[in-house]
Amino acid sequence: GAVVSQHPSWVICKSGTSVKIECRSLDFQATTMFWYRQFPKQSLMLMATSNEGSKATYEQGVEKDKFLINHASLTLSTLTVTSAHPEDSSFYICSAWDVVSTDTQYFGPGTRLTVL
Amino acid sequence: AQSVTQLGSHVSVSEGALVLLRCNYSSSVPPYLFWYVQYPNQGLQLLLKYTSAATLVKGINGFEAEFKKSETSFHLTKPSAHMSDAAEYFCAVSDRPGNEKLTFGTGTRLTIIP
Repeated sequence: GAVVSQHPSWVICKSGTSVKIECRSLDFQATTMFWYRQFPKQSLMLMATSNEGSKATYEQGVEKDKFLINHASLTLSTLTVTSAHPEDSSFYICSAWDVVSTDTQYFGPGTRLTVL
Repeated sequence: AQSVTQLGSHVSVSEGALVLLRCNYSSSVPPYLFWYVQYPNQGLQLLLKYTSAATLVKGINGFEAEFKKSETSFHLTKPSAHMSDAAEYFCAVSDRPGNEKLTFGTGTRLTIIP
């Protein structure tokens, strides 16, 4: 199946700093990517839909100024957690939608963010 | 609004026994339903999906699921469990014909007993 990578796989940062997470679709082009957040022992919660060349669409309750999303190319979307605080510690997962070939979302392995 | 309920956060079965993971959905429109599996340190992988064609859907690794509108269910089954089936399983629903805007259940951790 298609492969989606995320980088880094884990990151520890100090409170107040910003962290960027990359999501890449390795063997297909994705005009649409999604960013999810997963708390321990809970489900994935959709944060935002990232569209190549346009602004991201955020789900209700997600602060767009805190979670900056950029989808500058058909294979790369980035999520920047700005001025991170301990409550932002979580597992962030992206997915890329192969709408052309398989109409399936392919998920990255996730990024574990810990804010001290 | 759509939602998914997965009964049982943990399920344990013996190797070779039947696997049954339960999923019930709530949707105001005809749903599109999915089962994903997540192995440790890996991304979610699509097992199978229902998109209003056949109600019995066959997926990878010997899994299948049956869409029952009257019961609003989409339970996942496998006749004979294998040790490699140990993982976290997520049911998800979408109201779009395309595979987007997924709403996930809370997941079921499947443990296989040797």
